[in-house]
Amino acid sequence: DAGITQSPRHKVTETGTPVTLRCHQTENHRYMYWYRQDPGHGLRLIHYSYGVKDTDKGEVSDGYSVSRSKTEDFLLTLESATSSQTSVYFCAIRENSGNTIYFGEGSWLTVV
Amino acid sequence: DAKTTQPPSMDCAEGRAANLPCNHSTISGNEYVYWYRQIHSQGPQYIIHGLKNNETNEMASLIITEDRKSSTLILPHATLRDTAVYYCIVRVPQGGSEKLVFGKGTKLTVNP
Repeated sequence: DAGITQSPRHKVTETGTPVTLRCHQTENHRYMYWYRQDPGHGLRLIHYSYGVKDTDKGEVSDGYSVSRSKTEDFLLTLESATSSQTSVYFCAIRENSGNTIYFGEGSWLTVV
Repeated sequence: DAKTTQPPSMDCAEGRAANLPCNHSTISGNEYVYWYRQIHSQGPQYIIHGLKNNETNEMASLIITEDRKSSTLILPHATLRDTAVYYCIVRVPQGGSEKLVFGKGTKLTVNP
């Protein structure tokens, strides 16, 4: 599992509230990613990070921000949650050597 | 936008080999073939990858044709726990903005 932990695993929140999802890794990988998975769309990249304080946008970054203040944690924040952000969110890491990508177990977010 | 084509579903008897095909006729010379699976409500799980040689690990074997236009994932002795959606993807294992395109995959059902 490449030492990836996502929290919370499940959350229900109200429209307009901020939400932060946390991805924690224990193996010092440089690259970390946030994806969302929705029926009919597959996995879509939201943001990624290539080091502490180094982040960049993916294909569906609107409404999301990220932060990486230390190697092991990559935070995804929904500034003001909307119903369209109801989804399963997966964190992933890319191995420093070998470059295989491993995924976390997912965070189920429901915005009501 | 997936670069791969897989059958939508397959069945396999428990204890028998499961052979899952994948077509990737437009694969580039520097693209690897990766296989993942996703068991319901879990994150995508890495299985195996290869460039042009056949590969084997503790989970599966990967057979890539000589022209690299197709490959087969082999689960040698399928169990009920192997029931999942299997994804074949091609990627160059480098670069930051990893836009993994998983496609629809093959739903493998292992029957008792």
